[in-house]
Amino acid sequence: KAGVTQTPRYLIKTRGQQVTLSCSPISGHRSVSWYQQTPGQGLQFLFEYFSETQRNKGNFPGRFSGRQFSNSRSEMNVSTLELGDSALYLCASSLNNLTPGQGPRGYFGPGTRLTVT
Amino acid sequence: AQSVTQLDSQVPVFEEAPVELRCNYSSSVSVYLFWYVQYPNQGLQLLLKYLSGSTLVKGINGFEAEFNKSQTSFHLRKPSVHISDTAEYFCAVIRMDSSYKLIFGSGTRLLVRP
Repeated sequence: KAGVTQTPRYLIKTRGQQVTLSCSPISGHRSVSWYQQTPGQGLQFLFEYFSETQRNKGNFPGRFSGRQFSNSRSEMNVSTLELGDSALYLCASSLNNLTPGQGPRGYFGPGTRLTVT
Repeated sequence: AQSVTQLDSQVPVFEEAPVELRCNYSSSVSVYLFWYVQYPNQGLQLLLKYLSGSTLVKGINGFEAEFNKSQTSFHLRKPSVHISDTAEYFCAVIRMDSSYKLIFGSGTRLLVRP
């Protein structure tokens, strides 16, 4: 069974540009969560999608957005990039959301490392 | 609000020695608890989790953790570490009610020396 895949693995952008990151969950998983990891702020929750609907959102500005497709693949977009957006962006998938608190069972992707110059 | 504290940013230890990585949490509601490991240039891998039942939880790679409700702690232990255990370890909680948002600690870097 293939794991969570994220593309691209590495990305370099300049300030002001926008970027789109992709996450393909494990087959059959319908929930996708996104996290940002930086040395200063650590791991922070961005948002979570289930069945194409955003159900949870973290405390990030509106420049950060996402969506989920009918095949459960998810994309996140960051517009008007700032230097502080440089980070490792991690995606996690979960089977379903029927049982509260189950959370991502550890199925994280390898991440996309975004560098903004 | 929930918060997770990992007091030790780095823990150096010799190979084959025991290790304990500390994690304390605060929350106004009951939570589930997790430990993740991150190897260099990789994503997160679940080591173990506490959802309910026995407070001593065994995970992969010989790790175990004990949930202590009165002390709001979930310390991670391994009786004998290997060089390959060198990595960053993250403690995390998630609310029991309806949230899927993991709250992470700041991480502890375990450095195993020969």
